[in-house]
Amino acid sequence: AQTVTQSQPEMSVQEAETVTLSCTYDTSESDYYLFWYKQPPSRQMILVIRQEAYKQQNATENRFSVNFQKAAKSFSLKISDSQLGDAAMYFCAYRSLAATNKLIFGTGTLLAVQP
Amino acid sequence: SAVISQKPSRDICQRGTSLTIQCQVDSQVTMMFWYRQQPGQSLTLIATANQGSEATYESGFVIDKFPISRPNLTFSTLTVSNMSPEDSSIYLCSAAASPDTEAFFGQGTRLTVV
Repeated sequence: AQTVTQSQPEMSVQEAETVTLSCTYDTSESDYYLFWYKQPPSRQMILVIRQEAYKQQNATENRFSVNFQKAAKSFSLKISDSQLGDAAMYFCAYRSLAATNKLIFGTGTLLAVQP
Repeated sequence: SAVISQKPSRDICQRGTSLTIQCQVDSQVTMMFWYRQQPGQSLTLIATANQGSEATYESGFVIDKFPISRPNLTFSTLTVSNMSPEDSSIYLCSAAASPDTEAFFGQGTRLTVV
């Protein structure tokens, strides 16, 4: 069975600075998807970024980028130029190609942004 | 992206009672899912809601406790039956247009059982 581990329960960053959130996963599959979701206090889960395992190029979305290391089974999220609105719980998630949209979530990292 | 509406957004219920949570998607979707997020915890998949057939439950979740309906491609309900304080959680509906597209989430239902 696949597992997702986020070893940082809480992180803090100064506004305009850069922060990296860690995620590791365990799987025996060669093809899969990885995601970062953001959950602000409103509870709405918001997709931040997606990475296909077969792609060597790291995904980027504006200020958000990932460092995907397939051999190490590592999938970290870098937030550049942090903004107050980035404060939220961040979840790393795994999706098997065979599992048709079933997501396995990590335990989350609570990010605080200091003004 | 699909817009998912959940009702109610929150409720406080007496133990032993049941609550039905509704999930409405603004477009037809192939996949619908129900997740539970216990206080301070991550999301755990309860079941996949299958249109026109019985839901597929994950290990640790059973139909008698969490009956699910999905009468069409845009709507699903989750019932939390015979509630106890341990059922106090956020319940989230998720949907995807197809197996290869991203899943989107509703805003969740915060349930407190007293």
